[in-house]
Amino acid sequence: ILNVEQSPQSLHVQEGDSTNFTCSFPSSNFYALHWYRWETAKSPEALFVMTLNGDEKKKGRISATLNTKEGYSYLYIKGSQPEDSATYLCAPRDSNYQLIWGAGTKLIIKP
Amino acid sequence: DARVTQTPRHKVTEMGQEVTMRCQPILGHNTVFWYRQTMMQGLELLAYFRNRAPLDDSGMPKDRFSAEMPDATLATLKIQPSEPRDSAVYFCASGLRTSGEGTQYFGPGTRLTVL
Repeated sequence: ILNVEQSPQSLHVQEGDSTNFTCSFPSSNFYALHWYRWETAKSPEALFVMTLNGDEKKKGRISATLNTKEGYSYLYIKGSQPEDSATYLCAPRDSNYQLIWGAGTKLIIKP
Repeated sequence: DARVTQTPRHKVTEMGQEVTMRCQPILGHNTVFWYRQTMMQGLELLAYFRNRAPLDDSGMPKDRFSAEMPDATLATLKIQPSEPRDSAVYFCASGLRTSGEGTQYFGPGTRLTVL
């Protein structure tokens, strides 16, 4: 069973500031790492999937990096906006193509 | 625009009643997942199907919950009898095992309230 940890659990950021948070996962038997964005009262939406050590993905002001050797991924948000407020979930894929979900980082952007 | 659909979107029922939630996966997807949004706001896996066969339902209370896929376009989750502690949002997600490294596409959810 994969143990996935996300930190911090919640984060308050001033509008316009940049921020980042972490996902830790076992480095052995790695297949892929997913990031999802989950807005309140909506359903999770896929942001990125990364497979290779050193991968970097970017979508607008949001980017992610992957270190499979040490078992972590960072999600960065540049110039936070109120619409970035959401819970960000990371999920490594296991050998059965199931996603093992972290508990998420809840991001609140203060105007 | 392919999407996962779920019905009903909202359901209010009384304790002891049967509840059936339905999910239509994206056409062509061969994996279907049922999740429950927990009190801690996380995702709790209830059941997982591939090519309509149940692969993992270990997260589901067996005495009252059941999940089926009568055909490739319909997945159902039933609770009988329902209890107040079952009140939650239930999500269905679908994916294609051979693409996207397991990416799952979520439906809008069914918000269940058991009185």
